[in-house]
Amino acid sequence: QKEVEQNSGPLSVPEGAIASLNCTYSDRGSQSFFWYRQYSGKSPELIMFIYSNGDKEDGRFTAQLNKASQYVSLLIRDSQPSDSATYLCAARLSGGYQKVTFGIGTKLQVIP
Amino acid sequence: DTEVTQTPKHLVMGMTNKKSLKCEQHMGHRAMYWYKQKAKKPPELMFVYSYEKLSINESVPSRFSPECPNSSLLNLHLHALQPEDSALYLCASSQDGGQPQHFGDGTRLSIL
Repeated sequence: QKEVEQNSGPLSVPEGAIASLNCTYSDRGSQSFFWYRQYSGKSPELIMFIYSNGDKEDGRFTAQLNKASQYVSLLIRDSQPSDSATYLCAARLSGGYQKVTFGIGTKLQVIP
Repeated sequence: DTEVTQTPKHLVMGMTNKKSLKCEQHMGHRAMYWYKQKAKKPPELMFVYSYEKLSINESVPSRFSPECPNSSLLNLHLHALQPEDSALYLCASSQDGGQPQHFGDGTRLSIL
């Protein structure tokens, strides 16, 4: 079982819709979770991080964490074609204070 | 543009060459990281420096040699690389080991 799992996609949503990106993790002791956006040929860009159960909102982005279900999600409201990218979920696993483990990433396509 | 600056942006080298990748940040971050990323794969951790000391080496071959001259600079010295080492090399930094990591634009390395 991979430590951080994501569906590689592509996930296609129409412009203006809500994109829902999901991630599960195997280590119940994981403490911190991160979402990065990576455009093709570019480096990852941090867009959200979440440490506590519940929702965290920043503009059009909402990160959701459910530690009981070992589930993290990223919602993108009013999706734009410029949101088309690969979204990497990352987790700081227990015992790995300085190490972040990445999922394979979900490719999002926003259709105009 | 990111606050983590990597040079050069592109590097082509032969298998017998010696070259160095450089990374600089002026955010006062005390943890710095080297990652390797192949196409359609997530970033793969290579090294972590915390307070200028090497704290994690993910069993990286000795042809990659990291160096942290001071808290703002991180180098990766390359020698006798193999064609399979061709990849995007990413530097990241964080306030400390537990905080979100911010990536530079990367160096795209090609080994002939």
